[in-house]
Amino acid sequence: DVKVTQSSRYLVKRTGEKVFLECVQDMDHENMFWYRQDPGLGLRLIYFSYDVKMKEKGDIPEGYSVSREKKERFSLILESASTNQTSMYLCASSWVGGRGHGETQYFGPGTRLLVL
Amino acid sequence: DAKTTQPTSMDCAEGRAANLPCNHSTISGNEYVYWYRQIHSQGPQYIIHGLKNNETNEMASLIITEDRKSSTLILPHATLRDTAVYYCIVSNFGNEKLTFGTGTRLTIIP
Repeated sequence: DVKVTQSSRYLVKRTGEKVFLECVQDMDHENMFWYRQDPGLGLRLIYFSYDVKMKEKGDIPEGYSVSREKKERFSLILESASTNQTSMYLCASSWVGGRGHGETQYFGPGTRLLVL
Repeated sequence: DAKTTQPTSMDCAEGRAANLPCNHSTISGNEYVYWYRQIHSQGPQYIIHGLKNNETNEMASLIITEDRKSSTLILPHATLRDTAVYYCIVSNFGNEKLTFGTGTRLTIIP
C-alpha cells in the first residue's frame, strides 16, 4: 500500500515564525502536492512538484515556498506564519503513468496548523 | 478544467445503495471523471475513475451518461463507515493537477 506520511498531525506556531511541514512518500512517485483545506472552500492547491528540485505554483502559492531535494520528500515552508494560514494542510503524491493513472493521488493524514 | 456540480449533502439508510450525482456539462472528450472521498479528520481517498464506460471496483460503481455530461457514484450497500464528503473531479488531458470542489457530504443513517 502507498504510504504518505506528514511530520505532525497538529502544530501550534506564533505569528512571524518560520514553519516547516514535511511530507514523505514511500512509493517512488514522481509527483507530490501540497493543499490546504478550509471550511466551505474545499481543497486548494498550493504547490506541486513533478520531479526533484522542480516545483510549480498552484492556485494559492502566496506566503508559501516548497523544497524537494529528494524524490520521496516534499516540504512546505511558511516563511513568516500569519493567522490567515491557520488551516489543515494535506500532502499527496501520484505516479506519472498512462492517461488516467497519474491523477490518482494518495493523501497523507493532514497537519492541522494553528497560528496564534 | 471543467467544473463539476454536486449536491451539498445527502442522507442514505444503512444497507441501501447510495447514489451520488455529479454534473460536468462542460467536460471535454479527453477528460476523465474521478471520485474521491474524505472521511472526517483524514486525507482524501481515491475511489474510482472513468472516461466513458461504466466502471466498477471493490469500493463502488461509476455510471457515466452517454453524453458524458453527468455521472453517478454508487455505493451498493452503504455502511456507517461510508459517511464522508465525496468529491467528483474532472481532469484535463496531461494535467496532473486535480481541482477539488466542496463535494457532497453523505451521511449514512443507522
